[in-house]
Amino acid sequence: EVQLVESGGGLVQPGRSLRLSCTASGFTFGDYAMSWVRQAPGKGLEWVGFIRSKAYGGTTEFAASVKGRFTISRDDSKSIAYLQMNSLKTEDTAVYYCIGGYHWGQGTLVTVSS
Amino acid sequence: DIVMTQTPLSLSVTPGQPASISCKSSQSLLHSDGKTYLYWYLQKPGQSPQLLIYEVSNRFSGVPDRFSGSGSGTDFTLKISRVEAEDVGVYYCMQSIQLLTFGGGTKVEIK
Repeated sequence: EVQLVESGGGLVQPGRSLRLSCTASGFTFGDYAMSWVRQAPGKGLEWVGFIRSKAYGGTTEFAASVKGRFTISRDDSKSIAYLQMNSLKTEDTAVYYCIGGYHWGQGTLVTVSS
Repeated sequence: DIVMTQTPLSLSVTPGQPASISCKSSQSLLHSDGKTYLYWYLQKPGQSPQLLIYEVSNRFSGVPDRFSGSGSGTDFTLKISRVEAEDVGVYYCMQSIQLLTFGGGTKVEIK
């Protein structure tokens, strides 16, 4: 059974950093791109970024709203993808989901507030 | 950036009746590999989104056959042949030919 479990969310002050993790199981993690999508309270889905598999260079792409502040990395030996979020803003408050293949995690809530 | 436009914003449906959601993209989603990268997701209340349809018309594993997807190029439709109570939630279309973009969502409720 495919499982994706996000962790690392919480309350953080504006300007600070936070790192989310997505731990995967049930599929060959290294073969897949891993994406992050967020959903602000009561809003729709917003793509954040993704990291390609090593076979496709392991490169990353980001939405304009987070480019230069967020980075994504992966550890294929541990089947974990990371979302490093720096210089957080109040508008980054959202549930963050990771996606692997066609499967989504349950999400982790990030609240940016003073 | 590719913009995805869904209509309607909301839908109230009597159980057993059909429902249809439209999704239009600002650019063609047909790739040179012959595939069209259009997906449909359902987010049930309090849950993460779940895949219904991939590449326009392919039902994902376990998805009931009352769900069907159609369309081509920039114009796509999700149809539910007979809506059931468990189908309530917000439906999103998504493209992945150029990065990822979601439609704004269509909220489906039961009358």
